[in-house]
Amino acid sequence: NAGVTQTPKFRILKIGQSMTLQCTQDMNHNYMYWYRQDPGMGLKLIYYSVGAGITDKGEVPNGYNVSRSTTEDFPLRLELAAPSQTSVYFCASSYAGYGYTFGSGTRLTVV
Amino acid sequence: GENVEQHPSTLSVQEGDSAVIKCTYSDSASNYFPWYKQELGKRPQLIIDIRSNVGEKKDQRIAVTLNKTAKHFSLHITETQPEDSAVYFCAASPSNTGKLIFGQGTTLQVKP
Repeated sequence: NAGVTQTPKFRILKIGQSMTLQCTQDMNHNYMYWYRQDPGMGLKLIYYSVGAGITDKGEVPNGYNVSRSTTEDFPLRLELAAPSQTSVYFCASSYAGYGYTFGSGTRLTVV
Repeated sequence: GENVEQHPSTLSVQEGDSAVIKCTYSDSASNYFPWYKQELGKRPQLIIDIRSNVGEKKDQRIAVTLNKTAKHFSLHITETQPEDSAVYFCAASPSNTGKLIFGQGTTLQVKP
């Protein structure tokens, strides 16, 4: 039981490049989330999903896209990377919104 | 939408003392309030949570209290130890959304 797995762990992007952050969970959780955490700050919700085929915006969705084709996977797409997207990205999952389990994070730097 | 305010931003205590972190929320329909501990460079981990139909919950040295009327909840850590040093986040879940809105975090330092 791996929990929530994120890849990659680290990535450096150039301004204007695109990338996909991968997230998969093996706990059969129906809810999945993407948060970003800027240095010394709290976690801000980017997008979330309550089940396959259903996604919704969080607090800071601009510049990101998501899809949820399966229960297990919830990739986050960054289009046209900007320095403001430099952050640590955490994926999480839960059963009906209780007891989140977080992944280990992806540290992204945009230069 | 929901807004969560957390205080203090930093807290320093002597080993063995108690620590209290307070949070307020804006959405009276919020019904779930977890607390997370994040060590440096690690992922947040759930330490305790409380639902809106309960006023207090304890787990060994950790307790959480909830005042729905005042829309605030608090984390209490007794007999603090150096390994309690970390950043603590509160969060609130607007009713039936399944999402969490986090506070800004409190850096707790426990001095030996």
